[in-house]
Amino acid sequence: GAVVSQHPSRVICKSGTSVKIECRSLDFQATTMFWYRQFPKQSLMLMATSNEGSKATYEQGVEKDKFLINHASLTLSTLTVTSAHPEDSSFYICSARGGQGDYGYTFGSGTRLTVV
Amino acid sequence: GQNIDQPTEMTATEGAIVQINCTYQTSGFNGLFWYQQHAGEAPTFLSYNVLDGLEEKGRFSSFLSRSKGYSYLLLKELQMKDSASYLCAVIDSNYQLIWGAGTKLIIKP
Repeated sequence: GAVVSQHPSRVICKSGTSVKIECRSLDFQATTMFWYRQFPKQSLMLMATSNEGSKATYEQGVEKDKFLINHASLTLSTLTVTSAHPEDSSFYICSARGGQGDYGYTFGSGTRLTVV
Repeated sequence: GQNIDQPTEMTATEGAIVQINCTYQTSGFNGLFWYQQHAGEAPTFLSYNVLDGLEEKGRFSSFLSRSKGYSYLLLKELQMKDSASYLCAVIDSNYQLIWGAGTKLIIKP
């Protein structure tokens, strides 16, 4: 089945530094990648949608200069949290469309970001 | 606006049956998912409904009524490992997933 590999699974960084999260589709071409953020006891909140080779579309309230998304190839999308602050601490999850798994939506395993 | 409602929390007993409801109001409809999410983990796929009716898959079943904007997830023979959050998500006319807030299911022995 379709697999999306997300790394790292956990990261702790100092306030003011940047963190990159990678999502790779291992056995299919991900035409669209969705990036979500989930705070404790809350549902998934869509941050942005990216299509390979084009600029990401950000949801209202999400700072595009702070959360940089790159979808340079059909198998790799990255989310970079720039100048991270403690309030950016959250669970970040990617989801890819283009594979046959789960009726076309395949989730990465998530990244727990803690900013200290 | 788009809205998906599901109960915040439910409690059930091991071995019993529980039904988790989901009502939705979205711009268009291209299917409804149920996902299971354990704390600190990504959601895992449970079911997909696009036509009215009941889909059964082992201990889990999912029902959809498009005219009522309503779905439920039915869990039978509950096990302790079923303690998790259950997320309802609808694919809208733009093929984006609209998520409910999730139902935390607590299973007691």
